[in-house]
Amino acid sequence: DIQMTQFPSSLSASVGDRVTITCRASQNIGNSLNWYQKKSGKAPKALIYSTSTLEGGVPPRFSGSGSGTEFTLTISSLHPDDFASYYCQQTYRRVGFGPGTKVEIK
Amino acid sequence: QVQLQESGPGLVKPSQTLSLTCLVSGVSMDSGGYYWSWIRQHPGRGLEWIGYIYNTGSAYSNSSLQGRVSISVDTSKNQFSLQLTSVTAADTAMYYCARGNNVQSKDYFDYWGQGTLVTVSS
Repeated sequence: DIQMTQFPSSLSASVGDRVTITCRASQNIGNSLNWYQKKSGKAPKALIYSTSTLEGGVPPRFSGSGSGTEFTLTISSLHPDDFASYYCQQTYRRVGFGPGTKVEIK
Repeated sequence: QVQLQESGPGLVKPSQTLSLTCLVSGVSMDSGGYYWSWIRQHPGRGLEWIGYIYNTGSAYSNSSLQGRVSISVDTSKNQFSLQLTSVTAADTAMYYCARGNNVQSKDYFDYWGQGTLVTVSS
């Protein structure tokens, strides 16, 4: 099975900060990496698929990059609505999620 | 608009079988390019993929669930189902269904149900 790791596991940031979350795969997954936002009591929401393609309706302050085994999600300027948990997901072989990163208000 | 809605018992006794159904609306499950998945989130924990199924009936599940998972599809009713056998308290979680989008080289979950909480307790 492909193992996914994410770091940091949590971070504290302020509105307007630039935030970067890293996701690593235990083997080469090409660009089969997606990112989701999860808020308490709500279903996950797709943000980015295929490493860097923004899902429709997602603000352009979100961006994704990487390839192979290392990927990043960047929020260029944190908005109040962005405080949530973020999960990476590989769909290269079956499906696997990273453990998540919780973005909290500083 | 594509919508998914989970349904099933909110309480299951230990050692019994958890059964959930996901009703899909706004799209025919016979449409090519999609697959249908179950995901869960334990309280305070991350997302765990359970398994998925194609409209052909081909299904795949997470090996960590040790063969306890069965996923079926009924395209005539536009729904798919999950059965998880021999449940324990460790299976208490929020269960989500989602659509996998495999169109034009994409491969991600684009629509999700709202989730249903299942508690395993006697």
